[in-house]
Amino acid sequence: DTGVSQNPRHKITKRGQNVTFRCDPISEHNRLYWYRQTLGQGPEFLTYFQNEAQLEKSRLLSDRFSAERPKGSFSTLEIQRTEQGDSAMYLCASTSRASDVDEKLFFGSGTQLSVL
Amino acid sequence: GESVGLHLPTLSVQEGDNSIINCAYSNSASDYFIWYKQESGKGPQFIIDIRSNMDKRQGQRVTVLLNKTVKHLSLQIAATQPGDSAVYFCAERGRTGGSYIPTFGRGTSLIVHP
Repeated sequence: DTGVSQNPRHKITKRGQNVTFRCDPISEHNRLYWYRQTLGQGPEFLTYFQNEAQLEKSRLLSDRFSAERPKGSFSTLEIQRTEQGDSAMYLCASTSRASDVDEKLFFGSGTQLSVL
Repeated sequence: GESVGLHLPTLSVQEGDNSIINCAYSNSASDYFIWYKQESGKGPQFIIDIRSNMDKRQGQRVTVLLNKTVKHLSLQIAATQPGDSAVYFCAERGRTGGSYIPTFGRGTSLIVHP
């Protein structure tokens, strides 16, 4: 257990429905990342927060996706009007920048989304 | 038909052998590299890292080598054990917009036979 918690572990939804995932990072970590991973591929960057500020967002991220980190602690990722292509594992990671270089990410176990 | 994208490169070894997993990275400006291990149903787990001003770093049973000339990383695992069976990813940290974001490679599946 890395200390990063994601809920739910699994989500099955019908196409067109909205879904929301939650990530609770390690409490002292100020940086939080969302990645998406499909079968046989490495994690793909979606978005990044430093404290409550969303600093980066992937150009691949459609406007149906939105993420928040309102108090700089937990984060939510919402997908509106889900499509079958959204089926994937959604991973959250956190880190604390102890130096300007080292940045070990601590990942949660992910939320597996299946869109029917 | 078969989709190439679903098939990870795979390395099969016998327990006790040494394993070498290779990774080519894309950004010559990347300043930091990390190896992660991912077991089925879990998120990636940090193994070892290396800064771009180094060419070798050793951990417990693992060694990472960095060749910046050809943009190549390798992970060496000594005396491989069945518990080492997993998918291994290299990640490079390069600049995305105003931030440094870790970017992952495709991964290699390591299968250790007892």
